Amino acid sequence: EDKVVQSPLSLVVHEGDTVTLNCSYEVTNFRSLLWYKQEKKAPTFLFMLTSSGIEKKSGRLSSILDKKELFSILNITATQTGDSAIYLCAGISNSNSGYALNFGKGTSLLVTP
Amino acid sequence: EPEVTQTPSHQVTQMGQEVILRCVPISNHLYFYWYRQILGQKVEFLVSFYNNEISEKSEIFDDQFSVERPDGSNFTLKIRSTKLEDSAMYFCATGTGETQYFGPGTRLLVL
Repeated sequence: EDKVVQSPLSLVVHEGDTVTLNCSYEVTNFRSLLWYKQEKKAPTFLFMLTSSGIEKKSGRLSSILDKKELFSILNITATQTGDSAIYLCAGISNSNSGYALNFGKGTSLLVTP
Repeated sequence: EPEVTQTPSHQVTQMGQEVILRCVPISNHLYFYWYRQILGQKVEFLVSFYNNEISEKSEIFDDQFSVERPDGSNFTLKIRSTKLEDSAMYFCATGTGETQYFGPGTRLLVL
């Protein structure tokens, strides 16, 4: 059974800190890994990663995939209170015909002023 | 920026009733999905829909559930004979491939 595990489950940091969120996956016939940010309701798309070692970057957020170790990290530098959210990692398998996202439980990040 | 929209935002229903949740996808998207999130739990895949048919479904998506795109724009999830354990947030997502964009969700409460 495919599995996506995120750590830590929750994290509290001060504004300005840098955080690293972890996602390990066991996905049969791995295709891609996606990161989402969930604030009050809907997950909002951050990154999709398919190739090992290539960093994706958007402002203060960046992410990288290690297909050998079945691992991805999401980095947030100079955190702001607006970064407080649940960060979700999801894997997609090539075995599926419909690109179903298999989500982890998420990391709840709280950035304090 | 185009967004996925969902109606209603909240729905309260009695056990055994049928509910229909509606989604309007982003206009050029071809792949449609339903997910649910029970309070305090992870987001779970229900079904994907492409080219007017189901392309994949999870074990959760049993005969109680059905999806359709009745008029070429709306994408609906029907839950027949609702149970207490169907109470959850239901998200529609749409995309042109693997990247999926989520709607704001419908919170369903079954009493």
